[in-house]
Amino acid sequence: NAGVTQTPKFQVLKTGQSMTLQCAQDMNHEYMSWYRQDPGMGLRLIHYSVGAGITDQGEVPNGYNVSRSTTEDFPLRLLSAAPSQTSVYFCASSNPGELFFGEGSRLTVL
Amino acid sequence: SQKIEQNSEALNIQEGKTATLTCNYTNYSPAYLQWYRQDPGRGPVFLLLIRENEKEKRKERLKVTFDTTLKQSLFHITASQPADSATYLCALVFAGGGNKLTFGTGTQLKVEL
Repeated sequence: NAGVTQTPKFQVLKTGQSMTLQCAQDMNHEYMSWYRQDPGMGLRLIHYSVGAGITDQGEVPNGYNVSRSTTEDFPLRLLSAAPSQTSVYFCASSNPGELFFGEGSRLTVL
Repeated sequence: SQKIEQNSEALNIQEGKTATLTCNYTNYSPAYLQWYRQDPGRGPVFLLLIRENEKEKRKERLKVTFDTTLKQSLFHITASQPADSATYLCALVFAGGGNKLTFGTGTQLKVEL
């Protein structure tokens, strides 16, 4: 099993550009979530989904959009990137209880 | 809002000793608490889960305690090894919070020979 797969692993954007971070899981988990991790701030929840077609905001949702058209996929969209969105992003899934994390996507916004 | 505190200073211990990490939380009572390990450049990996009605949980060399009166969890690694060196994260699901985990900032553990 691949578990939770995130792409890309690294990305550099210019301010104002848009992009999508991809997340896929093959464990048939209903719950999926996106976190960002910044030095001294820990992991902060951006958006989460409890099943296909259902999404909700976490602690820091501004500047990010999500959708959940299938159980397997949960992409995170940055519509207009800002330097404050420079971070490491982690996707996770669970069913329920322990979270299974991807390896992370390191995003730099110049 | 919920707040979770972990010691931000790195913990350095000698191989073979017991490492004890602390997680304190404020405000609402959690439904359950989890501990994760994170290595540099990697995603967190689940270690243990303990529920609000449990006082202690063990798994091999790991032990977690949960004191809802003190609002504190202790995470112990006995007979520590250099391979245990990593950052350890505490995470809580608060009652009514569904599956949403709130994480502490983590404590870095360094086990020296």
